[in-house]
Amino acid sequence: GAGVSQSPSNKVTEKGKDVELRCDPISGHTALYWYRQSLGQGLEFLIYFQGNSAPDKSGLPSDRFSAERTGGSVSTLTIQRTQQEDSAVYLCASSLAGTAYNSPLHFGNGTRLTVT
Amino acid sequence: DQQVKQNSPSLSVQEGRISILNCDYTNSMFDYFLWYKKYPAEGPTFLISISSIKDKNEDGRFTVFLNKSAKHLSLHIVPSQPGDSAVYFCAANKLLGGKLIFGQGTELSVKP
Repeated sequence: GAGVSQSPSNKVTEKGKDVELRCDPISGHTALYWYRQSLGQGLEFLIYFQGNSAPDKSGLPSDRFSAERTGGSVSTLTIQRTQQEDSAVYLCASSLAGTAYNSPLHFGNGTRLTVT
Repeated sequence: DQQVKQNSPSLSVQEGRISILNCDYTNSMFDYFLWYKKYPAEGPTFLISISSIKDKNEDGRFTVFLNKSAKHLSLHIVPSQPGDSAVYFCAANKLLGGKLIFGQGTELSVKP
C-alpha cells in the first residue's frame, strides 16, 4: 500500500508569492498532521486534523498560514505572501487513530520550500 | 518552551558497540513516548514507543528506557550498525491528546 504522499517535493518561490503544499495521507487514516523542519532545527508542530476538523492549530506561525482537509483525506497547507523565514521542509504525517498507543505517525518525504 | 529536549546534537559510535541516545522532557502529563529515525531527504520513520506504565520496551536491537521520576528516556541500540547512521528524534504526547512534541534530534554516526 502507498505511504503518505506529498507534492511538490521541492518548491522555489519568490518572496511575497503564495504557495500551496499538498498531502495525501494513507487511506483510512483519520488523523493528519503538518510539521516543519527549518535548517538545523527539530520538528515544529503546525496543525492537526481529526477527520476534516482541526482541533489544534496552535502551531501555525501567523495568519499567513492556513490549512484545510477535505473528504477526510487530502490536505492542503497554504502560505500566503511568503517570507524568507518560511523556508523549511514541510512534513505531513497521518495516523490511524490520532496519537493512540500502537498508532504511530507515518510521515511523507516532505516538501522542501525555498523562498528567495 | 522546549518541552522535549535532546541535548546532544550528535553522537559517534564504533560499529558493534552500544549507542545510547538521551531525551529529557518537562511536561509530567506526557504518557506516551516514541523514537523516530530520519535519513536525509526522507520523512521520519517510527522506530519504537513506550507508554508511561512501563519502564522498558525492547524490539530487537532497540530498547527504550523510561525514568518517569527523572523525566528522562533513552534509546539503546545494540549492536550498532553503519545503517543505523541517521538523525534520531524523541517525541512525547498525552495519549489521544493530538499533537506529538518532538525533540531537536541527535545525529548518530556509526563508524565501520
